[in-house]
Amino acid sequence: GAGVSQTPSNKVTEKGKYVELRCDPISGHTALYWYRQSLGQGPEFLIYFQGTGAADDSGLPNDRFFAVRPEGSVSTLKIQRTERGDSAVYLCASSLNAGGDYGYTFGSGTRLTVV
Amino acid sequence: QKEVEQDPGPLSVPEGAIVSLNCTYSNSAFQYFMWYRQYSRKGPELLMYTYSSGNKEDGRFTAQVDKSSKYISLFIRDSQPSDSATYLCAMSDWNQGGKLIFGQGTELSVKP
Repeated sequence: GAGVSQTPSNKVTEKGKYVELRCDPISGHTALYWYRQSLGQGPEFLIYFQGTGAADDSGLPNDRFFAVRPEGSVSTLKIQRTERGDSAVYLCASSLNAGGDYGYTFGSGTRLTVV
Repeated sequence: QKEVEQDPGPLSVPEGAIVSLNCTYSNSAFQYFMWYRQYSRKGPELLMYTYSSGNKEDGRFTAQVDKSSKYISLFIRDSQPSDSATYLCAMSDWNQGGKLIFGQGTELSVKP
């Protein structure tokens, strides 16, 4: 596609529920990144994929968070047993390759609200 | 102390003013330096990227990197109301696979 697509754009869920957030990167981009942005803060790194494999998941806050990219294109961020503190905008970005030298293209994000 | 520090503002200037936005950082391994613009309820949009020290100019925007001082700047000339947004600095270390470390963001308002 022309840009990075994230669905849903908004998600409201009850505490304790499971949610999945989807990211469809730019076609041909091998690197895919997930970030989380809280209100008034810059994005914080969660995980990045090079192809199908998670090359760095050091930013995932705990084992309730998991992400997959089974075919090297679309990625899904999964959050189990959601907590109110998980409320944030979850941003996905893709780049031609990993390394940061071309910068990223971000999607518009999924705004997650846990009530 | 955060790896990247950025004054959150808000910063309000009249149309036509020169705007100066700044970040400091502590990790000397950072090699790539970027500025993103983020409009409300949108994802960050890449404005400028610079490798290592030096200046880079693109239209009304100039990015400066001073690695010796661990200080980066973005200048906006002839600012326009459409420049009103949050500006995020970001930086990365090649060895970390392009993982970006962002500043908090500076909220800029350009008044007509």
